[in-house]
Amino acid sequence: RKEVEQDPGPFNVPEGATVAFNCTYSNSASQSFFWYRQDCRKEPKLLMSVYSSGNEDGRFTAQLNRASQYISLLIRDSKLSDSATYLCVVIRGSNYKLTFGKGTLLTVNP
Amino acid sequence: EADIYQTPRYLVIGTGKKITLECSQTMGHDKMYWYQQDPGMELHLIHYSYGVNSTEKGDLSSESTVSRIRTEHFPLTLESARPSHTSQYLCASSGGEDTHPETQYFGPGTRLLVL
Repeated sequence: RKEVEQDPGPFNVPEGATVAFNCTYSNSASQSFFWYRQDCRKEPKLLMSVYSSGNEDGRFTAQLNRASQYISLLIRDSKLSDSATYLCVVIRGSNYKLTFGKGTLLTVNP
Repeated sequence: EADIYQTPRYLVIGTGKKITLECSQTMGHDKMYWYQQDPGMELHLIHYSYGVNSTEKGDLSSESTVSRIRTEHFPLTLESARPSHTSQYLCASSGGEDTHPETQYFGPGTRLLVL
């Protein structure tokens, strides 16, 4: 089983839609969790960190469920510019090494 | 925008050639990383460094080597390139005092094609 698994996608949604991505991680010792965004043929960029209490940044909401080893990202009121691959990222321990999921491709259509 | 640079951005080279991919950051980060990413696939860590003169192998075995003689510079070298080395190589850094210590900033990547 892979250490980080994501919804395979792709997701095709109309502008204004709400879309949710799910991610599971296999190692219960994982300590830090992030969502990164990667545009086509570009480098990954941090979208947001994920905290146990859940956190929101504008239209984006991230949730962490440690008991189920599950992370989610909710995007409300999708924009065309949200089209990208969303990467679930986990850090195990304090070694600052990231483990990436394969990513979920989102396309927002006009 | 992150101040992390990679050169060259694109490289087409013949089998057997020695190549060095450059990565530099001006953020004073102590930690630097190299990832390999094939199209449509996840990133895999191949090397990392926690500071000058510190280098470690990552999770994915790689025939490349790295060095960290200066804080800002983390070059990756392939002594003899092969077609199986064709991929995108992404450099990243973390550890600045004004950012979350675990946040990694990525360079634009080098796309390598070995013929």
